[in-house]
Amino acid sequence: QQQVKQSPQSLIVQKGGISIINCAYENTAFDYFPWYQQFPGKGPALLIAIRPDVSEKKEGRFTISFNKSAKQFSLHIMDSQPGDSATYFCAASTSGGGADGLTFGKGTHLIIQP
Amino acid sequence: EPEVTQTPSHQVTQMGQEVILRCVPISNHLYFYWYRQILGQKVEFLVSFYNNEISEKSEIFDDQFSVERPDGSNFTLKIRSTKLEDSAMYFCASCGTSLGTQYFGPGTRLLVL
Repeated sequence: QQQVKQSPQSLIVQKGGISIINCAYENTAFDYFPWYQQFPGKGPALLIAIRPDVSEKKEGRFTISFNKSAKQFSLHIMDSQPGDSATYFCAASTSGGGADGLTFGKGTHLIIQP
Repeated sequence: EPEVTQTPSHQVTQMGQEVILRCVPISNHLYFYWYRQILGQKVEFLVSFYNNEISEKSEIFDDQFSVERPDGSNFTLKIRSTKLEDSAMYFCASCGTSLGTQYFGPGTRLLVL
């Protein structure tokens, strides 16, 4: 299966809290897992990405946790801010990066309440 | 910072008409893509293009669709005979290397009446 399953569909978090979005996949050939952030009327923008040779990657307030055996990965946003309110998509591809098309999850609409 | 640009930002067309969506990828990028996003749904891969040929396409990308890189800067998506269900936001993306990041343009909102 080429699907990537993402949850929750929507999420409301208080300012300063931790936002957690989860994704699961079945295709063991996937070897590149990016997260994209999308604001209304804009194209998706890469937030952070991970490859299966590491279990965690952190960039500022954003962390990806990756569990290869469970075929799951998640995005954690620490100290969530109102400016983080957006739709977040997890994705996966089989090329280790950019060569192949990305398979996206259905997205999570995140709202950070001030 | 270099960015992917797309024109037009909005296009309205009648069912059965041909449309061409245009993209200017980031200069010196080698891999090019089209995706679509039906309102409120996930982003779906259509096609990837490398070395002047299609490298991968999804089941959505049927005979009604074609892509072209007519010169060194533009990348186009043509829909030969539009259907109502082709109404969506179409995103172009480009990538510099096989292990690189895909950068998305702002999209073209296509409405088929």
